[in-house]
Amino acid sequence: QVQLVQSGAEVKKAASSVKVSCKASGGTFYNHGISWVRQAPGQGLEWMGGLIPIFDKRNYTPKFQGRVTIVADKSTNTAYMELSSLTSEDTAVYFCARGGFPGAFDSWGQGTLVIVSS
Amino acid sequence: SYVLTQPPSVSLAPGQTARIPCGGPNIEAKSVHWYQQKPGQAPVLVVYDDSDRPSGIPERFSGSNSGNTATLTINRVEAGDEADYHCQIWDGSSDQAVFGGGTKLTVL
Repeated sequence: QVQLVQSGAEVKKAASSVKVSCKASGGTFYNHGISWVRQAPGQGLEWMGGLIPIFDKRNYTPKFQGRVTIVADKSTNTAYMELSSLTSEDTAVYFCARGGFPGAFDSWGQGTLVIVSS
Repeated sequence: SYVLTQPPSVSLAPGQTARIPCGGPNIEAKSVHWYQQKPGQAPVLVVYDDSDRPSGIPERFSGSNSGNTATLTINRVEAGDEADYHCQIWDGSSDQAVFGGGTKLTVL
């Protein structure tokens, strides 16, 4: 079973950017797809976007289009999510998850807390 | 965009059967996946493709999908099943994942 390990918590100023990493071990997401899902405090899960590296196919939900970039490095089995123009509403736990396009998400990272201060 | 609707909460006593609905227009035409999330933890896949279980998930967890409602059923509920449960589909028309709002299962 693949394990996804994410980078540590971040505290950012409003208007800045954050980049979160997600490294796979014991397997790959290269031909499975990798997505980023966020969860604001006390809220549900929200899909931000994802990509399936083997086809170089990516998609972002309209809410984040233009602010989020998701990339993958095959050589290190690591995916990255960068979110720009941060506001306090971006304070959330960000998860990477393997799958989608169109299957279920069968493995999840542990989550990365991003706090945005004004 | 496609919307999935879940009740905010379900409460029942240990040993009872929990049925958690997930509503959406003609949802039976889509594959529905279910995740269990305990406080402070990442979600865990418990049912995929409407009714299949990943290895390691107890047989007490099952799923069904018909008409406009998919349902996660948990037989003989235990205290350890207390968690948030999220349904999810892939919207092929927009090529995006969609999650329901989540249902908090409380075992009294």
